[in-house]
Formats: sequence, C-alpha cells, structure tokens
Amino acid sequence: GPKVLQIPSHQIIDMGQMVTLNCDPVSNHLYFYWYKQILGQQMEFLVNFYNGKVMEKSKLFKDQFSVERPDGSYFTLKIQPTALEDSAVYFCASSFPGQGPYEQYFGPGTRLTVL
Amino acid sequence: QQKVQQSPESLIVPEGGMASLNCTFSDRNSQYFWWYRQHSGEGPKALMSIFSNGDKKEGRFTAHLNKASLHVSLHIKDSQPSDSALYFCAVRASGSWQLIFGSGTQLTVMP
Repeated sequence: GPKVLQIPSHQIIDMGQMVTLNCDPVSNHLYFYWYKQILGQQMEFLVNFYNGKVMEKSKLFKDQFSVERPDGSYFTLKIQPTALEDSAVYFCASSFPGQGPYEQYFGPGTRLTVL
Repeated sequence: QQKVQQSPESLIVPEGGMASLNCTFSDRNSQYFWWYRQHSGEGPKALMSIFSNGDKKEGRFTAHLNKASLHVSLHIKDSQPSDSALYFCAVRASGSWQLIFGSGTQLTVMP
C-alpha cells in the first residue's frame, strides 16, 4: 500500500538547538499532517498543511514550530529552539481527498530526544 | 475540546476468540471514525472506517457506530496472533482536518 517515509528515525539534540524532521509523503497526496506522541500517551494533532499553507493547527503547535514543503520536496517540521518537552515521537501523515475519504496514511515516526 | 476514550486499556484473548474494543467520543459533530492498528516500531495504519450508524463488516472485523450514544466499537472474530497490536480509535469532526485519537487498546492474542 501507499507508504509515508520519515527521516531520521531517531534524533538526539541538546535543548535550544534547532531540529528539522523530514517526511516523504505518498506521491499523489496533497494534504500533510504532523502528530506528536509522548511515550504512553495519546497521539495528538499538531498541524495540517495544504497548498503551501497551514490550514489548521492545535495549541501544541507552538511559535517555535514551523512547517513547509518547498517545491514538492520533503514536508518538514522545524523546531527552533527546542525544549525538553519537545521530546516525543513525531508522526507525519498525508492524505488525498476521495481516498477513504480523507484517510490519513502515517509514517513510522521520528523519535526526538531533547537533552 | 473533543475527548475520545477507549476501553479496555489492554485485552488478552485466546487464538480463535472474539476481541471487542470500545470507544466513546464527546463531540456530537463528529462525522468520521477510523480504527487504526499500530505494531511496535511502526506508524498507525488504518484498519477500517465507519461513517454511518450501524455495522460495517470487513472480513473478520466488524465496526459498529451509534452516534446518538457517542459510541463506536470494533469486534475481531477468530482472532489471530498476528492481530496482536495497539488499536486506536480516531475521530474527525465535520469541518476539521485533525484526527482525535483515543489512548489505545493493547490487544494480545495468545496462541
């Protein structure tokens, strides 16, 4: 089936540094999402992105967070600067209206550890 | 803010048995419901969706939706060891893109 890829699978950084998480969505998908899952807790929505714009975001999507997908390349989540509470697994998802409908396909996640 | 709650937290069933997973939601505007399954080290994968009240059957899996009682369930018949995984209920309200996930049910099917 359709696959979403995420790079890297693990990232360890020092608090205050910048980090970029990369997502390679399903090729014909147009809607992109980031979710955050802290160990042992529910997966929580961060942001939805379409046509170069943030369509919807949650309270978890702090000012330090940004997303972009320049020219059809990776869909990225950038955190600058990072904080200890940003440690979590971040899942990227993508969808294409009409499939499902709006079924979101998830990647395997990037485990981010902020020291 | 929508609340989605799942029960039980964990469930052990024998191979060939029936597994029943439950999910309640709080927003009556909820329109779309999915069951996702997640194996260790992987991302969640959609198992099945249900959008109308009643039952929807796909092979060994049956989802049931009752919007009036704010309840959706998943029943797995003839459970197999390969069904062992973390199962999430996910709800999407009309006019919103975000999926609200429950906390999950860890299903273990014992051979």
